Amino acid sequence: AQSVSQHNHHVILSEAASLELGCNYSYGGTVNLFWYVQYPGQHLQLLLKYFSGDPLVKGIKGFEAEFIKSKFSFNLRKPSVQWSDTAEYFCAVNANSGYSTLTFGKGTMLLVSP
Amino acid sequence: DGGITQSPKYLFRKEGQNVTLSCEQNLNHDAMYWYRQDPGQGLRLIYYSQIVNDFQKGDIAEGYSVSREKKESFPLTVTSAQKNPTAFYLCASRPSGLSYNEQFFGPGTRLTVL
Repeated sequence: AQSVSQHNHHVILSEAASLELGCNYSYGGTVNLFWYVQYPGQHLQLLLKYFSGDPLVKGIKGFEAEFIKSKFSFNLRKPSVQWSDTAEYFCAVNANSGYSTLTFGKGTMLLVSP
Repeated sequence: DGGITQSPKYLFRKEGQNVTLSCEQNLNHDAMYWYRQDPGQGLRLIYYSQIVNDFQKGDIAEGYSVSREKKESFPLTVTSAQKNPTAFYLCASRPSGLSYNEQFFGPGTRLTVL
């Protein structure tokens, strides 16, 4: 069975600080990796995903993530956060086969102070 | 407007009563999912359906039931056998085929059992 571990449950940053949220997964085969974000009062939405090719993927709102296969990691980064980035962030993984389901991490709550 | 609707947004029930949560999508997606979100627990899969008239248990199916009589609809019943039903419930859908197709989420229903 696959599992996902997010390193930090809560992160507090000041505006303009750099962000890195850790995500590690356990699964022996080929995977697809996702980062979702849940802004206060809004739907869960996709930030970015990796399924093949360049391990550095860029998403919406200036976010990016790097897939490091040897470390089973898919860390999320942003060079300079804004107050509007305050949200909960979820890493998720599924096996690279047609009918696999997503396994989510427990989430990281990011609070950005102005 | 294409999307996923869940109703109601807030639901209160007395202990021992069954309650059904609605999920409708007009995205023409084949697959639909139900998750439960609890603080610090991330999203946990309750049931999923890849096609009409077929569904599978997820990781925490005990105390829940579903049906998939129409492609657009995937209602979830929380039965009195569910030991801790108070939670935020999220419905999602995804186009079938490629495993890296993202899931799209509804706004959620917050169920409180008194």
